[in-house]
Amino acid sequence: EAQVTQNPRYLITVTGKKLTVTCSQNMNHEYMSWYRQDPGLGLRQIYYSMNVEVTDKGDVPEGYKVSRKEKRNFPLILESPSPNQTSLYFCASSLTLGANVLTFGAGSRLTVL
Amino acid sequence: AQKVTQAQTEISVVEKEDVTLDCVYETRDTTYYLFWYKQPPSGELVFLIRRNSFDEQNEISGRYSWNFQKSTSSFNFTITASQVVDSAVYFCALSEPPFSGGYNKLIFGAGTRLAVHP
Repeated sequence: EAQVTQNPRYLITVTGKKLTVTCSQNMNHEYMSWYRQDPGLGLRQIYYSMNVEVTDKGDVPEGYKVSRKEKRNFPLILESPSPNQTSLYFCASSLTLGANVLTFGAGSRLTVL
Repeated sequence: AQKVTQAQTEISVVEKEDVTLDCVYETRDTTYYLFWYKQPPSGELVFLIRRNSFDEQNEISGRYSWNFQKSTSSFNFTITASQVVDSAVYFCALSEPPFSGGYNKLIFGAGTRLAVHP
């Protein structure tokens, strides 16, 4: 089944403890991105990647890192999480830049205490 | 700057009522795409429709219909004869094409929570 898989789906952690949210897609998509969803703000883009080894900042990149070493994987790294990063995170992918119907993962709910 | 406004934070209706979710957008480009996504209580995002800026025809899909009006920068979504299963948060989103620097980024509205009661 064609899908975007995120892990973990739920995580409670403490301030400053590094964590990684993994994202993997099995559709051979070139484009991948991360969004966070917050009440009253909708979804906002954190980072995106147009292809392997090509990444760039979205609208809210502070406190996050990403990497794209393989086409299928696009992990989101929080080096030193803070409570304001408590949010619902979505990974998304699409075949190319022009095919901009994004396929979203199921979401990862992160709580930073 | 690009912006999407969904002024209705929450809507509550009784089953079988028709309901319209409003979406107003701002963009500097003449070429762009508009989307609606549904987020049911389970949390995933479900794609409903994509419309490009050159296609102003209204679209109907079963009980769902969309009214795109460039003159008022609106892309409203109507559910006819609503059902309990329509209860969800609905997001309107705007995307600019890659050659305008959009890089597939979606600008989302804040969402409208629809509650359909039996």
